[in-house]
Amino acid sequence: QQPVQSPQAVILREGEDAVINCSSSKALYSVHWYRQKHGEAPVFLMILLKGGEQKGHDKISASFNEKKQQSSLYLTASQLSYSGTYFCGTESLTGNQFYFGTGTSLTVIP
Amino acid sequence: DGGITQSPKYLFRKEGQNVTLSCEQNLNHDAMYWYRQDPGQGLRLIYYSQIVNDFQKGDIAEGYSVSREKKESFPLTVTSAQKNPTAFYLCASSIRGTGASSLSAQAFFGQGTRLTVV
Repeated sequence: QQPVQSPQAVILREGEDAVINCSSSKALYSVHWYRQKHGEAPVFLMILLKGGEQKGHDKISASFNEKKQQSSLYLTASQLSYSGTYFCGTESLTGNQFYFGTGTSLTVIP
Repeated sequence: DGGITQSPKYLFRKEGQNVTLSCEQNLNHDAMYWYRQDPGQGLRLIYYSQIVNDFQKGDIAEGYSVSREKKESFPLTVTSAQKNPTAFYLCASSIRGTGASSLSAQAFFGQGTRLTVV
């Protein structure tokens, strides 16, 4: 039931772009994205609801393709502060559960 | 300030002992969740509760137990039946139970409890 994320890890230089993908085997109602720094709690980034919406937050944006049960997180012109592990969280159409993905470790270097 | 509090931050347990992790929220959230985090495996759902006096098993409930006697509290007990309990445990809450008939809402997390078996 846990959604699968890809890639597992990515290393970027400052200013480069990255895409993180999240794929579920279940029909989804919504997708959430979170970022976690080492040893800390995950911090909420954004929610995308079914309907194929896209959202943006500064230079971080995301899309949700409900037909493919997939979401992608786009990080443009990456900054050092973007480093961390990114998780997608999914709610199924049948509800009642909230599952997190396997995580993507993102490291931005100068 | 509203938030979700986990305690203790670090916990050591001897093999064969039960131990209880505390999770309290003052956000008036209906739904609460427990996750286990191991390196390279993301967050795996242990138990969740949509309402007081009701809770459901997640993917890895074996060796764990919970209770939800109050809306604010969702303690997790790691029993001696859990064979590999050393991990980082995260509690989360959201405004209501999820479902297609209602608006989705973000999850708020506690700071986590790192449990080590010695």
